[in-house]
Formats: sequence, structure tokens, C-alpha cells
Amino acid sequence: AQKVTQAQTEISVVEKEDVTLDCVYETRDTTYYLFWYKQPPSGELVFLIRRNSFDEQNEISGRYSWNFQKSTSSFNFTITASQVVDSAVYFCALIHGSGNTGKLIFGQGTTLQVKP
Amino acid sequence: EAQVTQNPRYLITVTGKKLTVTCSQNMNHEYMSWYRQDPGLGLRQIYYSMNVEVTDKGDVPEGYKVSRKEKRNFPLILESPSPNQTSLYFCASSLFAGNEQYFGPGTRLTVT
Repeated sequence: AQKVTQAQTEISVVEKEDVTLDCVYETRDTTYYLFWYKQPPSGELVFLIRRNSFDEQNEISGRYSWNFQKSTSSFNFTITASQVVDSAVYFCALIHGSGNTGKLIFGQGTTLQVKP
Repeated sequence: EAQVTQNPRYLITVTGKKLTVTCSQNMNHEYMSWYRQDPGLGLRQIYYSMNVEVTDKGDVPEGYKVSRKEKRNFPLILESPSPNQTSLYFCASSLFAGNEQYFGPGTRLTVT
């Protein structure tokens, strides 16, 4: 079965702290795609990153970084020097490759609150 | 500006009154999809479309219809809405299935 688990329901940090959001996925496919989305209080879903299963290279984009480890089926997201504007719900998601229907399988989300 | 638009953004309606939520994208994407978001149940796919005239059911298609007559548009039709369809609905599109999906702003639907 394909599944995404975000064990952290809520995280609260003080501004400028670093924070890591965990994501563990399950799939039997060798080809799959992983994503992170951000849902700020305004409600829209904002795409952050896509990774395919053959590319384990970590990625950094400004204060955001992602650590993809196939050995542990994890795709963790770190925000460095967090800011109040980072407060949002963050979703990790998976699209499995076999019979690819494009369906995003979402985790339950992690609510991040960054306090000033 | 590349975007996915949805209308209406908010809608309150009564049981049984047919409604359509429109979705349009200007990125020439092949793939489009509808999701609903509910507390405790998360985001679930309703229907998807790989290309024009090609649509298929997602995980929760009951009570919904879709059509894809043009590449840019993918309306969601509720023929006879019921209170359990009260939800936040998102339309999304991507170049192809498996690529990153870009979401519309969402439509908050309340059925009384």
C-alpha cells in the first residue's frame, strides 16, 4: 500500500530557530515522486519541491532544505532560521509510478507555528 | 501569470440544487485533478483527467461528475448536492501525471 506519514501533528518554535518536519513514505514501486506543499492560513496549497525516486541528492533553496533517504523511506524538510511567515500547515505527498494516475497521496500534515 | 483559477471561491447552497465549480488553467497542462479537503480526512482525490476527453475516478467520486472538453477547463459538477459534500475543494493541474501539481485557490462549499 502507498502511504505517507507525518508523525508530527503540530510543532511550535520561536523565530530564528531551525525546525525539521518529518515525512516517511511507503510504496512498493521503484519509480515514485515525492512532494512538499505549504498551506498558509489563507488556505491555498503552494508547491515547494518535487523529487523523483532516482534522485537522492539533497536540495537547498534559500532557508529551505530537503533530505531524501531511500534507505529509511524518508523525505524530511528543514527550515533554517524560521520566520513568522513560515507558519502554515505543511504536507508531504507521494505519487507512485506504476499505473501512474497522478494521484497525490498526502500525509496528514504538520502544523508549524513560528512565534515572534 | 501562470495560474489555476476556480469559481466560485465560496458557495452556500441547499440540498439537491445542482451546481458547478469551474476550474481553468493557462499553462497548457495535460493533467488536471480535483481534490477535497476535510478535517480529519485530509486531502483526497475526487476525479482526474489525463487529457482532453479522458477522465477517471479518484478515491471519492460518488456524487460528482466531471468533463474535459477543452484542455484548459475541468469543471466539477454536483448534480444533487448533499450535506456530506460540504468541504473545501481544490482543482490542480500539472504538465503530465507525476509532475508537480499547481493548485487553484480553493472553493469552500457548504450544503445545508
